Amino acid sequence: GNSVTQMEGPVTLSEEAFLTINCTYTATGYPSLFWYVQYPGEGLQLLLKATKADDKGSNKGFEATYRKETTSFHLEKGSVQVSDSAVYFCALSDPALSSGGSYIPTFGRGTSLIVHP
Amino acid sequence: DTAVSQTPKYLVTQMGNDKSIKCEQNLGHDTMYWYKQDSKKFLKIMFSYNNKELIINETVPNRFSPKSPDKAHLNLHINSLELGDSAVYFCAAKGTGVPGANVLTFGAGSRLTVL
Repeated sequence: GNSVTQMEGPVTLSEEAFLTINCTYTATGYPSLFWYVQYPGEGLQLLLKATKADDKGSNKGFEATYRKETTSFHLEKGSVQVSDSAVYFCALSDPALSSGGSYIPTFGRGTSLIVHP
Repeated sequence: DTAVSQTPKYLVTQMGNDKSIKCEQNLGHDTMYWYKQDSKKFLKIMFSYNNKELIINETVPNRFSPKSPDKAHLNLHINSLELGDSAVYFCAAKGTGVPGANVLTFGAGSRLTVL
């Protein structure tokens, strides 16, 4: 079946440091890949996505490139801020696993990021 | 206007009680989900409805019963609450078409505490 593996957290960084959160996946078909962010006390919200190999998703200074050869979708940011402290979830939707017309989304376990001033 | 709204945001109750969480979306999406998030932030899918019909029912105890009166609403009723039911429950709606295909929009969550 499908799965998403993320690096375990927490990841603790100083402000302006470079961030990488690793994400690898296994999928039956050709999935779309997503990063969601969950700020404290809130629901998840989409950060960025990529729908096919070599696509790069970007938003708010974050980037991730869909690498089919390494089945990876690592999240990066060049200079983190305190306000980036949150839990980050890598996820995929695999059309090969649709059920009744509904794609089944698969989430990683989440990686907590803590940024200190 | 909140796209996906859940009520209540906080729920504290005793073991053995029955409680409901309501979810409404104004996005016009056909597919809605319930997720359970534990204290370690792990997200587990519980149910999925597509246009009022149950599509996914992951290994969830029978004490949990979803109800979808129309495609904008997906409520979760829980009977005979147990300590292990304490968690944050998220409702989500899934987009279709470009550019929102397969993007989930989540509610703010309902934190259930069973004493």
